[in-house]
Amino acid sequence: KAGVTQTPRYLIKTRGQQVTLSCSPISGHRSVSWYQQTPGQGLQFLFEYFSETQRNKGNFPGRFSGRQFSNSRSEMNVSTLELGDSALYLCASSSLLAAQETQYFGPGTRLLVL
Amino acid sequence: AQKVTQAQTEISVVEKEDVTLDCVYETRDTTYYLFWYKQPPSGELVFLIRRNSFDEQNEISGRYSWNFQKSTSSFNFTITASQVVDSAVYFCALSEGSISGNTGKLIFGQGTTLQVKP
Repeated sequence: KAGVTQTPRYLIKTRGQQVTLSCSPISGHRSVSWYQQTPGQGLQFLFEYFSETQRNKGNFPGRFSGRQFSNSRSEMNVSTLELGDSALYLCASSSLLAAQETQYFGPGTRLLVL
Repeated sequence: AQKVTQAQTEISVVEKEDVTLDCVYETRDTTYYLFWYKQPPSGELVFLIRRNSFDEQNEISGRYSWNFQKSTSSFNFTITASQVVDSAVYFCALSEGSISGNTGKLIFGQGTTLQVKP
C-alpha cells in the first residue's frame, strides 16, 4: 500500500502571499490531520478532517485553514504568509478517527517564507 | 494540562551500544494512548509503537523494546545493539483526551536526537 503523499515537497514564498499544500492519505483512510513542525515550537497540531468535516482544531490563527474532499484527500491553506510560518508541514492519515487509530505520517512539505 | 517531556535533547553512542530514550507524560485522563515515532533526516515521521493506558506489558520488537510504567508516568524506549541506521530524532507522543473522550490530537515531546557513530 502506498503511504501518505504530500505535494509539493518544497516551497518558497514571500510574506503576504498565500499557499496551498496537498495531502493524499493512505488508500482507505478517512481521517487526515495536519501538524506544523518548527525548531522553536516543535510539533503542533493544526486540524483534523474526517468525512469532509473538521473534527478538531489546534491553536492557530484563522489564516490557517483546510478542507477535505470526498476522496479523503486534504488541502491546507495559509493566507497572508508571515516569516514565522516557515516550517515543515506534516500530514497524517488514519483509517478511522484519529482518536481511534494510529496516525501515519507523510514526508512533509518544507515551506520557506522570505 | 497534558504534556510530554523528553529530557534528553541529544544522545551520542557508539554502534552496538544499548541506548534508552526517556519519556515522561502528564495527563488526567484514565484512557489515553502513547506513541513513539522516528524522524530520519528525510523528515517523515515513522510510526514505531502505540500503547493504550490499560496495557502496561512491556513490548519487544527486534532490537526495540518499550517499558511503560503508569506509576511513574513513563514510557521509555530502548534500542539494543544500536546501529548507524538508528540515527534519527525520536518523538514520544500522547493522544489528547477530553471530557467526551480522546480527540486524537497528538501532543509531542521535544524529541531526542540520537547519533550512532560507527
